[in-house]
Formats: sequence, structure tokens, C-alpha cells
Amino acid sequence: AQTVTQSQPEMSVQEAETVTLSCTYDTSESDYYLFWYKQPPSRQMILVIRQEAYKQQNATENRFSVNFQKAAKSFSLKISDSQLGDAAMYFCAILNPQGAQKLVFGQGTRLTINP
Amino acid sequence: ETGVTQSPTHLIKTRGQQVTLRCSSQSGHNTVSWYQQALGQGPQFIFQYYREEENGRGNFPPRFSGLQFPNYSSELNVNALELDDSALYLCASSLLGGGRNTDTQYFGPGTRLTVL
Repeated sequence: AQTVTQSQPEMSVQEAETVTLSCTYDTSESDYYLFWYKQPPSRQMILVIRQEAYKQQNATENRFSVNFQKAAKSFSLKISDSQLGDAAMYFCAILNPQGAQKLVFGQGTRLTINP
Repeated sequence: ETGVTQSPTHLIKTRGQQVTLRCSSQSGHNTVSWYQQALGQGPQFIFQYYREEENGRGNFPPRFSGLQFPNYSSELNVNALELDDSALYLCASSLLGGGRNTDTQYFGPGTRLTVL
């Protein structure tokens, strides 16, 4: 079974500063994908970033980057130059591409941006 | 490119009733996954449909059932509703079999179901 743990229920950051959200996971699979999704108050789950386990290079998408530590089973999300629109629930998730391709989510971290 | 859509947006039912939720997949996608998200929790996988066949199921009772149609849209049916079924129901579409980087799941806006 795969599990995802987000140990920070809430985080806050000043606008324009940098914040890091933590995520650890457990899996017995060698091939898997990791994701960060953002869920604003509108409820729609929006993909932020994706990382494939076989890739050593950390994924980046504009102001969003990850620190993927495979041996430690850690997958943190760094948001640079935080903007008011970044305020949302952030969910870390893992997917095994073999068999039933289900996403297993963590409990989420609520990010508040202070102006 | 059309995104994932879901209907209805909100729904109120009473205990024991049946409900059908609908999802239209993103253009070019062949797979729909359904998730239940209770208040304050992360989404939980219900099941997935690939080319009209169930491709995996989470830990949900048989009263949760689904369908996928030839155009890859999908329905989630819940019979004998219970109070604990109150949640946000999310569907996500993806493209399986298209190689790496095609199987990312993209979500619809969700249906909020309230069971009284």
C-alpha cells in the first residue's frame, strides 16, 4: 500500500517571500509518479507540478519547484515570490503507473498568503 | 481544448435515495477516475474506468457503481445514500496507453453532495 503524509496542516507566508511545503511518502514500488495539486476555495483540483521517480532532476514550473529526495522518500514543494493567488489547500499525491492508476493523496496543507 | 466538466454542481438528497453524478472527460482522454473528498480531507479513490471497463476500485461498497460511455464520459451512481456519503465528488480524466507524461489526471470542478 502507498501512503502520503503532509505534516503541516497550515502554513503562512508573506507576499513575495518563499515557502516550502513538506511531504513524505511510502511505497514498495520502484516506478511511481509524485504530484502536487492545488485546491483553491473554488474546489477545483489544479495540477501544480509532477515528478517521475526515475528522474533525478528536480521538476520546476515557473515559481514552483520540488526537492525530491528518493532515498528519504521526501517530496517538498517550494513556492518562490509568493502571490495572493497562491492561497489554497495543497495536496501531495503519489501514483503507481502499473495496474489501477489511482492517486493516493495526503491530508493537505492550507497555505495562507499575508499581504 | 475542453477541460473536465461535472454536473450537477450541488445536490441535496435524503438518506436512502439514489444519486447519479456525471463527468465529461477532457478532449483526447480515454480514462476517468472518481474520488470522494470529505470535508477537511484529501480525496479518496473510488474507481477508475478505462475504455468503458472498470480498471481498479478503492475501498468503497458495491452501492457505489459507475459507467463509462463510448465518448469516454462517465457516471457515478450511489444507491441507498447514507449521511456519511456527504462529500465533494471529483472526477479526473487522463490518457492511458499514450506513453509517459500522458497519464496525469486532470480534475473537474466537483459535485457537492449533501445527504440529509
